[in-house]
Amino acid sequence: DTEVTQTPKHLVMGMTNKKSLKCEQHMGHRAMYWYKQKAKKPPELMFVYSYEKLSINESVPSRFSPECPNSSLLNLHLHALQPEDSALYLCASSAVGQTQYFGPGTRLLVL
Amino acid sequence: QKEVEQDPGPLSVPEGAIVSLNCTYSNSAFQYFMWYRQYSRKGPELLMYTYSSGNKEDGRFTAQVDKSSKYISLFIRDSQPSDSATYLCAPGVDSGAGSYQLTFGKGTKLSVIP
Repeated sequence: DTEVTQTPKHLVMGMTNKKSLKCEQHMGHRAMYWYKQKAKKPPELMFVYSYEKLSINESVPSRFSPECPNSSLLNLHLHALQPEDSALYLCASSAVGQTQYFGPGTRLLVL
Repeated sequence: QKEVEQDPGPLSVPEGAIVSLNCTYSNSAFQYFMWYRQYSRKGPELLMYTYSSGNKEDGRFTAQVDKSSKYISLFIRDSQPSDSATYLCAPGVDSGAGSYQLTFGKGTKLSVIP
């Protein structure tokens, strides 16, 4: 089983809202990733967690706040987003030295 | 020069054709070489991966890496309309603590015409 699940599938939020994206995997992977993908562009790395610790933050604005409560779960908390943050948000996971498997993504629209 | 260069296409071929998709890269530190397929409005799906120079075959798909020339290829034989998608090359480097970073090409949009 190489499944990464993400909820919700779609999200519409206003610029003053607070919302969270959720990602889950049960493959025993110890690295989890958040990516942002705009239309017709490749995914851009946002954050990397290794063994539940934040190891890479690609200079992402503080209105995005990641959290890794346990080895299977990854959250992305959203607050005071801008319309330009509308995108497909992808979660991925990998075992040590192995390939990354992506979830289906959450399509976010900020009004 | 971008780290990974990939012709965005679009590429349109008739059903049954052999498709060749290519990327070049500049970072000699890349250790892993992935190809992802992404259908419209879906997440990327891992298609092929290699860790060294040479060929790797899986059904109708062959991935080829030439580290000396920093060239990555994906060949699709007997292409099908269901192969119509965007193909992303993604070389990667170990970033420590069990994770690694992928650098994606822009993706090539492929259409296979019945």
